[in-house]
Amino acid sequence: AQKITQTQPGMFVQEKEAVTLDCTYDTSDPSYGLFWYKQPSSGEMIFLIYQGSYDQQNATEGRYSLNFQKARKSANLVISASQLGDSAMYFCAMRESSGGYQKVTFGTGTKLQVIP
Amino acid sequence: NAGVTQTPKFQVLKTGQSMTLQCAQDMNHEYMSWYRQDPGMGLRLIHYSVGAGITDQGEVPNGYNVSRSTTEDFPLRLLSAAPSQTSVYFCASSYSGGAGGMDEQYFGPGTRLTVT
Repeated sequence: AQKITQTQPGMFVQEKEAVTLDCTYDTSDPSYGLFWYKQPSSGEMIFLIYQGSYDQQNATEGRYSLNFQKARKSANLVISASQLGDSAMYFCAMRESSGGYQKVTFGTGTKLQVIP
Repeated sequence: NAGVTQTPKFQVLKTGQSMTLQCAQDMNHEYMSWYRQDPGMGLRLIHYSVGAGITDQGEVPNGYNVSRSTTEDFPLRLLSAAPSQTSVYFCASSYSGGAGGMDEQYFGPGTRLTVT
């Protein structure tokens, strides 16, 4: 079974609109972390936001927020007021413990294109 | 701080050749890892290390070796290159490998490897 599932290979959003990128995960660890990364066409991986499994509040970082629904095992990324520079690949990732050491698993990504 | 550095940026190998991809970080991070990125498959973990002298296999370890003699360096060795190893390789590091707490990974710029 996939540990991280991103069901949207590609998304379009109008500039200045909000967009939600979906991510569901599968783990039996009680302690885990969820991350979102952005990969622009230049190729670098840029950390956006983090949510811990025990965090009570949804994480927010500027225009990024993480809609964390633990019971549904979903960690959707919401980008508000989209900008042209938001066009990129977005990856959801999960860190979980494995025998005391962490392993990080990535989803297959969503390509977001912002339309002027 | 240089962060995470990788060399070379590009490499072309013939089938059967061996080579080492270099990765170094100057942030005194304990946890380092290697990923490969293939179209449509996201990032897949090859090997990781939780400290000098300690390494473990990830999701796709076959055909690759690693060692960690210092905190700073985590080279990835391709033993006998195959066309299936054509990919973009990312090295990443984070402060610790223990469970709990935000522990984002810092990524290097990547190495684009082609095996003919």
